[in-house]
Amino acid sequence: GAVVSQHPSRVICKSGTSVKIECRSLDFQATTMFWYRQFPKQSLMLMATSNEGSKATYEQGVEKDKFLINHASLTLSTLTVTSAHPEDSSFYICSARGGTSGADTQYFGPGTRLTVL
Amino acid sequence: AQSVAQPEDQVNVAEGNPLTVKCTYSVSGNPYLFWYVQYPNRGLQFLLKYITGDNLVKGSYGFEAEFNKSQTSFHLKKPSALVSDSALYFCAVRDQAGTALIFGKGTTLSVSS
Repeated sequence: GAVVSQHPSRVICKSGTSVKIECRSLDFQATTMFWYRQFPKQSLMLMATSNEGSKATYEQGVEKDKFLINHASLTLSTLTVTSAHPEDSSFYICSARGGTSGADTQYFGPGTRLTVL
Repeated sequence: AQSVAQPEDQVNVAEGNPLTVKCTYSVSGNPYLFWYVQYPNRGLQFLLKYITGDNLVKGSYGFEAEFNKSQTSFHLKKPSALVSDSALYFCAVRDQAGTALIFGKGTTLSVSS
């Protein structure tokens, strides 16, 4: 199967600082990556779609200046939460499309738990 | 607009019994349907998908799902549940023209020994 990694798995930061989360597709090339946010015991909310070499497409209600997404290569996308506040605390999960089950399948990273104090 | 409904917040079954986790969807055109499983504080693991072909799809860990176009359903099933199947299950859909998956709210499966 396809493997997607995320780093860090857990981060605690102070309010007002910025945090960068990396998402990598380890054994396949992903032209498209996705960023989701998940609140406790809730579903995944799509934040943005990231295409390699172009600007990300943000979902309605997601602040593009706060959640900066860069997809610089076919195996790496980053999400930077700028000037983080406690309400940004959440579980962030990335996903990449591709892998052995074909380009139709999205494979997910293990998630990053962000806690903003 | 695409949408997915998982009508049950929780499903409880005894080990060894069959299990069903329900999912219905709404999408324009032909649907791409998926099931994922999530263990606590972990990402999602792909179980199976339906794109085209046989309505009964077999996936990982003995799970299967049946696509029913007339009922717009894609229920997840397993003939004999294991305690280790206890987790949060998500149904997801996208249309042919779409890219990102849209998820249902999730169903917690609890298998008792």
